[in-house]
Amino acid sequence: NAGVMQNPRHLVRRRGQEARLRCSPMKGHSHVYWYRQLPEEGLKFMVYLQKENIIDESGMPKERFSAEFPKEGPSILRIQQVVRGDSAAYFCASSRNREETQYFGPGTRLLVL
Amino acid sequence: TQLLEQSPQFLSIQEGENLTVYCNSSSVFSSLQWYRQEPGEGPVLLVTVVTGGEVKKLKRLTFQFGDARKDSSLHITAAQPGDTGLYLCAGERNTGNQFYFGTGTSLTVIP
Repeated sequence: NAGVMQNPRHLVRRRGQEARLRCSPMKGHSHVYWYRQLPEEGLKFMVYLQKENIIDESGMPKERFSAEFPKEGPSILRIQQVVRGDSAAYFCASSRNREETQYFGPGTRLLVL
Repeated sequence: TQLLEQSPQFLSIQEGENLTVYCNSSSVFSSLQWYRQEPGEGPVLLVTVVTGGEVKKLKRLTFQFGDARKDSSLHITAAQPGDTGLYLCAGERNTGNQFYFGTGTSLTVIP
């Protein structure tokens, strides 16, 4: 019973490039959450998705960031035209439904040069 | 603004000592969770508390939810090197869909 999977684990991008982070939830989980963890800071909520729907994106920056969770395949967090300030660890969590426990993936460490 | 404040931010103790980590807020939460995160990994859930005044024990770890559901504490008895890690509290409010994470407490237990 595989846990939440994220890939890549490490991603290096130059300023202005695009970063695509993938999250495969646990089997049977249809709710996905993305968080960002900056150095010396706690995790900050970004977006909450169910299959094909964005439920809450109140934590997402208004520009350059987007997320999707298609009917088939993993959830994708996309960052366009990355800047150095985007360097952080991005974590995905999944749950069976809104009320149940969120299980976290190992994270993707993004470094923008 | 940080909804949940944890203290201390850093803690370094000798093996065998006891310690308490605090998670405080001025807001009320419907539930509160404690996680432990090791370097290079995602947070792993330790416990969820939902009732004001609730106390839960997990081996040498004791978790308490404040009566007013605004704060929580984690007490570790006879700490071991394997307890080393970043401890995070996270609260869920009745409104909205997100968890609010605390600032974290980085614990180092020295053998």
